[in-house]
Amino acid sequence: KAGVTQTPRYLIKTRGQQVTLSCSPISGHRSVSWYQQTPGQGLQFLFEYFSETQRNKGNFPGRFSGRQFSNSRSEMNVSTLELGDSALYLCASAGLINTGELFFGEGSRLTVL
Amino acid sequence: QKEVEQDPGPLSVPEGAIVSLNCTYSNSAFQYFMWYRQYSRKGPELLMYTYSSGNKEDGRFTAQVDKSSKYISLFIRDSQPSDSATYLCALRDSGGYQKVTFGTGTKLQVIP
Repeated sequence: KAGVTQTPRYLIKTRGQQVTLSCSPISGHRSVSWYQQTPGQGLQFLFEYFSETQRNKGNFPGRFSGRQFSNSRSEMNVSTLELGDSALYLCASAGLINTGELFFGEGSRLTVL
Repeated sequence: QKEVEQDPGPLSVPEGAIVSLNCTYSNSAFQYFMWYRQYSRKGPELLMYTYSSGNKEDGRFTAQVDKSSKYISLFIRDSQPSDSATYLCALRDSGGYQKVTFGTGTKLQVIP
């Protein structure tokens, strides 16, 4: 069974640009959540989508947005990039049972110059 | 004050040692307790999951939860070099769906 796939794995952007990251969940999983991981703050919850609806949102500015498609694939977008947005962005999918068990992808490492 | 506090380490132990990793939390709404392991350049993977106070054992790993003290622990027996990774405690409340609050992680190195 294929795991969570994230693309691109690495990318470099400059301040003010925008970026779109993609996530394909495990087949059959309808919940997709996004996390930002930095050395100082650790893993922080961005948002969660279930059946194309945002179900939860973390404390991030409106520059961070996301969506989910009917095939459960998800994208997140960060507009007007800032240096502090440099981080590993992790996508996780979950099955129907609400256990909190998350299956993570390997992440997209964003560097903002 | 952060909702979850975790000693960042790093922690270095000889092979075969018993390792104790700990987290404290302040939000009594947390009902589900997990430990994730993250190898370098990889996403976290679930190690242990529990929703009640007490101990849960899985092979060399034991998770311990004390809700009255708001304290959770992970013990690793007979530690192996392959256990070298960052360990993250993770907590969720009953209505949070997949919104999980993570500790900052403890980096563990097991020396052969």
